[in-house]
Amino acid sequence: EIVLTQSPGTLSLSPGERATLSCRASQSVSSTYLAWYQQKAGQAPRLLIYGASSRATGIPDRFSGSGSGTDFTLTISRLEPEDFAVYYCQQYGSSPQTFGQGTKVEIK
Amino acid sequence: EVQLLESGGGLVQPGGSLRLSCAASGFTLSSQAMSWVRQAPGKGLEWVSGIGGSGGNTYHADSVKGRFTISRDNSKNTLYLQMNSLRAEDTAVYYCAKPMSYYGSGKGCFEYWGQGTLVTVSS
Repeated sequence: EIVLTQSPGTLSLSPGERATLSCRASQSVSSTYLAWYQQKAGQAPRLLIYGASSRATGIPDRFSGSGSGTDFTLTISRLEPEDFAVYYCQQYGSSPQTFGQGTKVEIK
Repeated sequence: EVQLLESGGGLVQPGGSLRLSCAASGFTLSSQAMSWVRQAPGKGLEWVSGIGGSGGNTYHADSVKGRFTISRDNSKNTLYLQMNSLRAEDTAVYYCAKPMSYYGSGKGCFEYWGQGTLVTVSS
């Protein structure tokens, strides 16, 4: 099973700042099969990025994904108030598909 | 518009059973792969079970294999998760989810999610 480790656990930033979230895999993941989700309290997750770098429908261009192999990054270029949430990465190339433990982006 | 509506959660004793339902609208369930994903209170996401497209092959995480069964009723456009021999560690919000694309063995990134239904296993 591929273990995904996200860092940091919590990111404290102010609106307008840049957020950089990391997702490291225990084994190589094809970049075709890496996704990022946003989850707000009491809500279902929302798909942001698939295929490591492709934005899902309706996702603003301040969200971008990059990386390959075992290291992947989600970048939010300028934090908006609605971006403070928990973010998860997921690999869906190997069985079982797995999720990271999440990074919380909180208001500083 | 794709919509997924889960129901059937509740409080159940350890060793008990529960069946979750996910009513789908806006697409035909019979030809689509689907999954159940759960989230324990305050914890992260865990894929639980998946069912393939028209072939209907099923897949389960090791943590639920032999206890949970995923199925669908095409006439009702509804997905199910039959959960038997429930344990305290099965306590979670259970989401049904539709993948954007399907890569076999239940794998895919999930474009559509229901609102979730809470299952609490406790005596």
